[in-house]
This record gives sequence, structure tokens and C-alpha cells, in this order.
Amino acid sequence: DAGITQSPRHKVTETGTPVTLRCHQTENHRYMYWYRQDPGHGLRLIHYSYGVKDTDKGEVSDGYSVSRSKTEDFLLTLESATSSQTSVYFCAIRGTGENEQYFGPGTRLTVT
Amino acid sequence: AQSVTQLGSHVSVSEGALVLLRCNYSSSVPPYLFWYVQYPNQGLQLLLKYTTGATLVKGINGFEAEFKKSETSFHLTKPSAHMSDAAEYFCVVSDLDDYKLSFGAGTTVTVRA
Repeated sequence: DAGITQSPRHKVTETGTPVTLRCHQTENHRYMYWYRQDPGHGLRLIHYSYGVKDTDKGEVSDGYSVSRSKTEDFLLTLESATSSQTSVYFCAIRGTGENEQYFGPGTRLTVT
Repeated sequence: AQSVTQLGSHVSVSEGALVLLRCNYSSSVPPYLFWYVQYPNQGLQLLLKYTTGATLVKGINGFEAEFKKSETSFHLTKPSAHMSDAAEYFCVVSDLDDYKLSFGAGTTVTVRA
């Protein structure tokens, strides 16, 4: 157990509304990641962070922003949700070994 | 960025039969290699990893994988399937100097009684 929690676990929202997902870790890991999971695509990286206030884009970052003001929290924001952002979102931290990551339980987001 | 190919999006096996999931990666330089498992409605769990050294890697729940550099492959096997092995399995790679992961599309395993 890497001490990762995600909130909310489920959310239904309407097109055009802003949405913020939260990832919280308890073990002071430097690297944190946000992924989305869609059938047939595995997991795709949205954004990641390598320290407080240090973030970078992943392969599917359009329409998403992130913030990290504390080591333990990494927020993912959908500025104006669209139906194409309906997905399951996973947060992860990089462990202390060779690049392995540990995942949170996921947030299922539905945009209607 | 690394490219990962998992052959077969669905695999169905009988209980007690061999489980074989195939994975090929694109890099000419051996990367770090992982297999993750995702049980229904759960997060991903690390099954095993290859970094350096022995090319046959043993993981949890009786799974193992063999790294073959010449074939750029990292296939996952389990000699005898159990009903509890029904899940989705992801082959994942990472370059040695990159803290990002590249995922295969996943293979869903169904176990028949």
C-alpha cells in the first residue's frame, strides 16, 4: 500500500463545467502522475509532477491542467469538461526502485 | 517514447491451463520492463519487473516473465491458471533515464471453470 487516495471516487458532471480531482499521498514521494484509462488504450499520461510547483505535460494533456502546492497533493483540473473526457482517472507515485509506479484506486468521471 | 505491443486483447483459458500473455517493445536499448495487473474496479498492482540481471523474473501469484533482448519481448506466463487470475494485464516499459511509463493496450484474461 503506497498510501495513495483519490477523491472523489465517482463523479457525474455536465459538459462545460469545471472539475477538479484530488490525489493525496502520505509517503513524501517526489514524483506524482495523472493518467486516464480508456478501453483499448491502456493508461495514457496526462500530466506529471517532479516536485512542488514543478509539473510537465504528458501525451494527452489538452483540456487538462494540474497544480501541486504541497508535496502530498496533486490536483487535476478539467477547465471545461467535455464528453470525450469521460474516463477513469488514476493517480500514481514513483517508488524508490527502478521507475516502478504505484497507483491509487481511481476516479470514475462521467461527463453528460 | 517507447512503444509497447500486447498481442491479443482477450485471452480465455481453462482453469489449470497455461497462461501466456505476449508483449513486445520497440527500443533497441533494453528498458525497464513491468507487468501490472488490474482486477475489476480496482487500481493497478505491480506483478513483476525486470531491471537488470537475470532474464527470468518471478512475480507474485505464481507469475513469471522472461526478458529476451534479441526478440525485444517480455512475455508473461503462469503454469496453471486459477479463477482468481481473471483480470486485465498491462505490459509497461520505461527508458532507464526517463521517469515516465509507456503502457500496452492491455490483455483481459478470462478463466473458464
